Amino acid sequence: EVQLVESGGGLVQPGGSLRLSCAASGFTFSSYWMSWVRQAPGKGLEWVAHIKQDGSETYYMDSVKGRFTISRDNGKNSVFLQMNSLRAEDTAVYYCARAGGAIVFDVWGQGTMVTVSS
Amino acid sequence: QLVLTQSPSASASLGASVKLTCTLSSGHSNYAIAWHQQQPEKGPRYLMKLNSDGSHRRGDGIPDRFSGSSSGAERYLTISSLQSEDEADYYCQAWGSGIRVFGGGTKLTVL
Repeated sequence: EVQLVESGGGLVQPGGSLRLSCAASGFTFSSYWMSWVRQAPGKGLEWVAHIKQDGSETYYMDSVKGRFTISRDNGKNSVFLQMNSLRAEDTAVYYCARAGGAIVFDVWGQGTMVTVSS
Repeated sequence: QLVLTQSPSASASLGASVKLTCTLSSGHSNYAIAWHQQQPEKGPRYLMKLNSDGSHRRGDGIPDRFSGSSSGAERYLTISSLQSEDEADYYCQAWGSGIRVFGGGTKLTVL
């Protein structure tokens, strides 16, 4: 079964850091771009970042550039999101998604909640 | 700038059909998109990729009650024989150089 399982969410103070992980199974992880997408409470989906199969290319939405870093470990079938200098507006459920054909998010995880609050 | 516009809400009766719309911004009318469904309190689920010529490919396990079509800058998702579990938020998604974009979503109510 193709599956993505996120972990690492929690409550963090403004200015703090958090590292999210996403474990993939059921497909050849190293063959796919991977992405993080978030959803603030009561809001829509928002693409955050994605990473090429070999990690050589990464892209970010403007508001997280310089604060978030996406990375991957193909040996462990995992993708990560290091989040620094967190702000209240980063509060959201963070989803890991597989990018089929590098473009469509064709497999989604169940999400992990990140709350930034003092 | 690539922007996707969706109506905030739609409604239709059980057993009927409904057509949801996603509009691509000016200069992007030839773009393909993807449709995703998000049922209440669940993660998103990929429905299909929809090309500018209306051809589409559904994701694994997606019933053929879900279909797509295109006209100019408009991309449509039609759901026929509506069921209660189709009550959900529906998002369109597109891609540009280095970026991925979502529409604001349409909340579908099944009456």
